[in-house]
Amino acid sequence: SQKIEQNSEALNIQEGKTATLTCNYTNYSPAYLQWYRQDPGRGPVFLLLIRENEKEKRKERLKVTFDTTLKQSLFHITASQPADSATYLCALDRADRGSTLGRLYFGRGTQLTVWP
Amino acid sequence: NAGVMQNPRHLVRRRGQEARLRCSPMKGHSHVYWYRQLPEEGLKFMVYLQKENIIDESGMPKERFSAEFPKEGPSILRIQQVVRGDSAAYFCASSPPNRASQETQYFGPGTRLLVL
Repeated sequence: SQKIEQNSEALNIQEGKTATLTCNYTNYSPAYLQWYRQDPGRGPVFLLLIRENEKEKRKERLKVTFDTTLKQSLFHITASQPADSATYLCALDRADRGSTLGRLYFGRGTQLTVWP
Repeated sequence: NAGVMQNPRHLVRRRGQEARLRCSPMKGHSHVYWYRQLPEEGLKFMVYLQKENIIDESGMPKERFSAEFPKEGPSILRIQQVVRGDSAAYFCASSPPNRASQETQYFGPGTRLLVL
């Protein structure tokens, strides 16, 4: 079955630097891939969606890339701020050829800490 | 426009009791999804419902768990005869009825179930 791996459980960077988070999957390429942010004690909040035929997507200080050959997505936060500290989740729509629209498959997440 | 609402936010049950978790989707959304997040694990899909229909319940344990989304009222996730292993955060998400918009799911704050 599909395996979704996000790089190191925790990432610590200094304010102002660019944070880069990785999401790798092992089998079937999804029709789209999403990134969510989750703060402690709260539900995930949608950030960005990128489709299989798109290479890159941007939204303010956020950038997502999608390489279906490498089976990898990179999520960048430029000019990071302490308020960006949270857990970031990668989600795919498909884990096998039989998957239907609806369910999402999540990675475990990467906990980002931005220190002043 | 209120977001996805879940109640209760915290629920404590003793082993063998029943737990009922409620989810009211965002206004205009007719698709509801339930996910479970165990400590130190990622979000795991449980069930996908539309009004009065279960679309995909492949993530639901075969016993003790059931879900419904009636024509009127919130979606209910019901866990009978709870065991300690059911302790987790349960998240509900919703999406609009049109296919293209179903890709993004909007999550509620979650219900944290603790089984003593």
